[in-house]
Amino acid sequence: EAGVTQSPTHLIKTRGQQATLRCSPISGHTSVYWYQQALGLGLQFLLWYDEGEERNRGNFPPRFSGRQFPNYSSELNVNALELEDSALYLCASCGRAPNTGELFFGEGSRLTVL
Amino acid sequence: AQSVTQPDIHITVSEGASLELRCNYSYGATPYLFWYVQSPGQGLQLLLKYFSGDTLVQGIKGFEAEFKRSQSSFNLRKPSVHWSDAAEYFCAVGAGITGGGNKLTFGTGTQLKVEL
Repeated sequence: EAGVTQSPTHLIKTRGQQATLRCSPISGHTSVYWYQQALGLGLQFLLWYDEGEERNRGNFPPRFSGRQFPNYSSELNVNALELEDSALYLCASCGRAPNTGELFFGEGSRLTVL
Repeated sequence: AQSVTQPDIHITVSEGASLELRCNYSYGATPYLFWYVQSPGQGLQLLLKYFSGDTLVQGIKGFEAEFKRSQSSFNLRKPSVHWSDAAEYFCAVGAGITGGGNKLTFGTGTQLKVEL
């Protein structure tokens, strides 16, 4: 069974540009979570999508946005990129409640902003 | 609001020595607790989790963790460390499987170095 897949693996952008990151959850999972892992800051919760709707949002500015498609895959968009957006962006998925409680993570997309 | 503290940013142990990584949490209700491991350039892999019941939980790769409610702690242990255990370890707390999704709050991680 395929795990959570993310693309691209690496992305280099310049300040002010837009970045789009993609995530495919484990087959049968309906929820997708996005986390930002910046150097020295641990994992910060960004967004939670479930059944196509945004359910929760972390403490990030509105230029971080996303969506979930009918096939439960998801896209994270970061507009007006800033240098501090350079980070590893991790996507995770889980099934409908009740479930086993944990999140299943992909290997991440590393965004570098120059 | 829930929070997790991992007081040790870096830990170095010798191969074959025992290991304990500390984790303290803050949560208003019964916590759901997790330990994940991240190897360089990789995503996170679940080592073990605690929901209820026996406070000593066993995980993969020979790891175990003990939930101590009185101390708000969930420390990770391994009796004998292998060089391949060198990685970053994250403790996390969640709201549970029925209330508001599986959003996890993570600690800042402990980087483990293993000396041969």
